[in-house]
Amino acid sequence: AQSVSQHNHHVILSEAASLELGCNYSYGGTVNLFWYVQYPGQHLQLLLKYFSGDPLVKGIKGFEAEFIKSKFSFNLRKPSVQWSDTAEYFCAVNAGNTDKLIFGTGTRLQVFP
Amino acid sequence: GAVVSQHPSWVICKSGTSVKIECRSLDFQATTMFWYRQFPKQSLMLMATSNEGSKATYEQGVEKDKFLINHASLTLSTLTVTSAHPEDSSFYICSARDRGYNEQYFGPGTRLTVT
Repeated sequence: AQSVSQHNHHVILSEAASLELGCNYSYGGTVNLFWYVQYPGQHLQLLLKYFSGDPLVKGIKGFEAEFIKSKFSFNLRKPSVQWSDTAEYFCAVNAGNTDKLIFGTGTRLQVFP
Repeated sequence: GAVVSQHPSWVICKSGTSVKIECRSLDFQATTMFWYRQFPKQSLMLMATSNEGSKATYEQGVEKDKFLINHASLTLSTLTVTSAHPEDSSFYICSARDRGYNEQYFGPGTRLTVT
């Protein structure tokens, strides 16, 4: 069965620090990969997605993620975080032949001014 | 952009009663809608996949007779929690997939509290 692991459960950073959140998945076939963000009190929003092509994907708000097939990873990065990036971040995967999204357990990011 | 709404945003009900939650795609047609459950400080767990005009597909361990799903139109899916119990208290989130696109848009969620 597919699964998604997010190893960082809670990350605390100061503004301007660099961010990298890990995401690993288990599935041997073609996958679509997503990062979602949930700001406090708000619904899930798509940050970025990877279906095919360039493994370095750029999303909204300065976020990017790199798909490394050999490592089954899709880590999220941002060179310089802001206080407004404080939120919960979820990595999600679906196998290329299904509709279902499998979510990781989420990473809570707190950014202090 | 694609907008998904849910109603109500929160509901409190007594044990043994039923509660209906609506999920609507406001500006696109959704042939497929998904229902998730999110426990505090945990991830989203897919409960079922709802296809317009056909029966929902439930994930393993989800009671189909307890969580009734109806997807009557391309813009509306409903989840009815029947004979609710305190352990059903949770945050229920729906998402809708825009026809022709492999991307889900999420609703704001419904907080259910069963007393």
